[in-house]
Amino acid sequence: GAVVSQHPSRVICKSGTSVKIECRSLDFQATTMFWYRQFPKQSLMLMATSNEGSKATYEQGVEKDKFLINHASLTLSTLTVTSAHPEDSSFYICSAPSSSGHEQYFGPGTRLTVT
Amino acid sequence: AQSVTQLDSQVPVFEEAPVELRCNYSSSVSVYLFWYVQYPNQGLQLLLKYLSGSTLVKGINGFEAEFNKSQTSFHLRKPSVHISDTAEYFCAVSDANFNKFYFGSGTKLNVKP
Repeated sequence: GAVVSQHPSRVICKSGTSVKIECRSLDFQATTMFWYRQFPKQSLMLMATSNEGSKATYEQGVEKDKFLINHASLTLSTLTVTSAHPEDSSFYICSAPSSSGHEQYFGPGTRLTVT
Repeated sequence: AQSVTQLDSQVPVFEEAPVELRCNYSSSVSVYLFWYVQYPNQGLQLLLKYLSGSTLVKGINGFEAEFNKSQTSFHLRKPSVHISDTAEYFCAVSDANFNKFYFGSGTKLNVKP
């Protein structure tokens, strides 16, 4: 099946710094990718829709200036957490839709810890 | 707006016993329903989905789920579990365009020998 990768799998950064997370579709092209955030024992919450060649669409309540999304190519989307704070510590997951659109392929997630 | 409720955060069960993981949803419009499984340190993998047609949906690894519109439920079942089924299971609802997925909080299935 289709594979989506994320890098890094884990990252620890200091408060005030920025960190970039990559999401790649390995064997298919994705004009759209999705970024989710998962808090412990909570649901995956959709943060934004990443669109190749255009601006990302953010969900209500998500700060677009803090969570910068760039869909650089048909196989790569990046999420940059700017001026990170401890409350940004979370599990970030990306996904890409199948060609039929009836399924989402998920990456393995990135654990961000801000100290 | 849609929402998904998974009432059981953890379900312990002995190997070869049957299991049911509960999922209820709320939506004012027609929805599509999914169950995903997440093994440790891996991404979410699709178990099964309901788009239309028969309300009993069969998925991979012997799992099945039944869509019940009147009860707004989509419970996941397996008649006999294996140790390898130990994982976290997520129920999800998508909108008609399959663009936005709304997830439940997940149920950790712990199969004991």
